[in-house]
Amino acid sequence: QVQLQESGPGLVKPSGTLSLTCAVSGASISSTTYWWSWVRQPPGKGLEWIGEIYHGGNTNYNPSLKSRVTISVDKSKNHFSLRLTSVTAADTAVYYCARADYGDYGKLDYWGQGTLVTVSS
Amino acid sequence: EIVLTQSPGTLSLSPGERATLSCRASQSVSSSYLAWYQQKPGQAPRLLISGASTRATGIPDRFSGSASGTDFTLTISRLEPEDFAVYYCQQYGSSPYTFGQGTKLEIK
Repeated sequence: QVQLQESGPGLVKPSGTLSLTCAVSGASISSTTYWWSWVRQPPGKGLEWIGEIYHGGNTNYNPSLKSRVTISVDKSKNHFSLRLTSVTAADTAVYYCARADYGDYGKLDYWGQGTLVTVSS
Repeated sequence: EIVLTQSPGTLSLSPGERATLSCRASQSVSSSYLAWYQQKPGQAPRLLISGASTRATGIPDRFSGSASGTDFTLTISRLEPEDFAVYYCQQYGSSPYTFGQGTKLEIK
């Protein structure tokens, strides 16, 4: 059973850095078939794709966030992380990690439960 | 960036009725790279359909998807009470991968 679990601070100050980790169980983050993704959802709004990473370190970011985003992977811990700098209230959202199955073109087939991050002083 | 426009924004139907949800892409999207997700309040999205028409594991056969050019459709043949939720389409063929704004399916 594949499971993803986000963790990290629920409150970040404006201009600070948001850091989240996604722990993966039931699947190897080193698999050649999968990329590992982050998606966010502001309260009451729709979904926004943030970016993805392959276990080898290759990344693919949304240009709207690219200057502020870093996604990294730790194969020894079977987890991957999101770092978003210079946050503002507009970055307040539920952040989801998900698995992208490139054995089937990249569908997001497993998702974490999500974690709410609020940007506020 | 490919923009996905979903319609209607809200769909009010009764259990047992048929639901038809639309997703139109601003540019060509290969059917292989179009998915539908269901999201219930307080939950993560759940994959329903990938490749425009392939049901994910465990998804009932009352859910079906189709494609015609840049138009994609999710059909729920007979609504069950648990089907009332928000539905999103997503394209993952051209980065940045994008989602539609969602269709809320509510009980009439």
